[in-house]
Amino acid sequence: DAKTTQPNSMESNEEEPVHLPCNHSTISGTDYIHWYRQLPSQGPEYVIHGLTSNVNNRMASLAIAEDRKSSTLILHRATLRDAAVYYCILRDVKRGSQGNLIFGKGTKLSVKP
Amino acid sequence: GAVVSQHPSRVICKSGTSVKIECRSLDFQATTMFWYRQFPKQSLMLMATSNEGSKATYEQGVEKDKFLINHASLTLSTLTVTSAHPEDSSFYICSARKAGAADTQYFGPGTRLTVL
Repeated sequence: DAKTTQPNSMESNEEEPVHLPCNHSTISGTDYIHWYRQLPSQGPEYVIHGLTSNVNNRMASLAIAEDRKSSTLILHRATLRDAAVYYCILRDVKRGSQGNLIFGKGTKLSVKP
Repeated sequence: GAVVSQHPSRVICKSGTSVKIECRSLDFQATTMFWYRQFPKQSLMLMATSNEGSKATYEQGVEKDKFLINHASLTLSTLTVTSAHPEDSSFYICSARKAGAADTQYFGPGTRLTVL
């Protein structure tokens, strides 16, 4: 399975941008990069996904390196509600159409008021 | 949107009893659903993959006779923890795969199981 590496934790100030990095040097050509976040005692929430091009949605932006070996999730203005564990996940293409998601430890984001 | 619900959200049971957890995709059809387990301060661990109308595929180390999975329709999958023991106490989370190019998964809110 293609593996991702994320920092264990990051801190941010409220209303400032946050850049959450993810390394995935063994990514294959058809792996999608997915980002989820999980608040305490809740199920993970889908944030964004991409393949090659940068992506924007109402929650965040995803910047993907040209060689696809790393990506960065960008929260443009952090709020206290953004405090969560953020997971960068590659779809497990070895499982064929099952598309299993294998969760790592993620990055715990703290937001200070 | 894509909404997945779970019921119950929290359950406390005695050791030796069986507990059923339901997972429903409310606004889309899901041919594939997944069941995860999460222990305190740990990440999610995939338990099994559930395909509508066929047997579930279990991850290594997960007992299929203990964790019974049924995916009888395109919107409902159930996980039954049989003869539950205190070590089965955990946060159980389901997800449903929405068909598309990226096959994004959407997660339920989770079920907190406590076995006394």
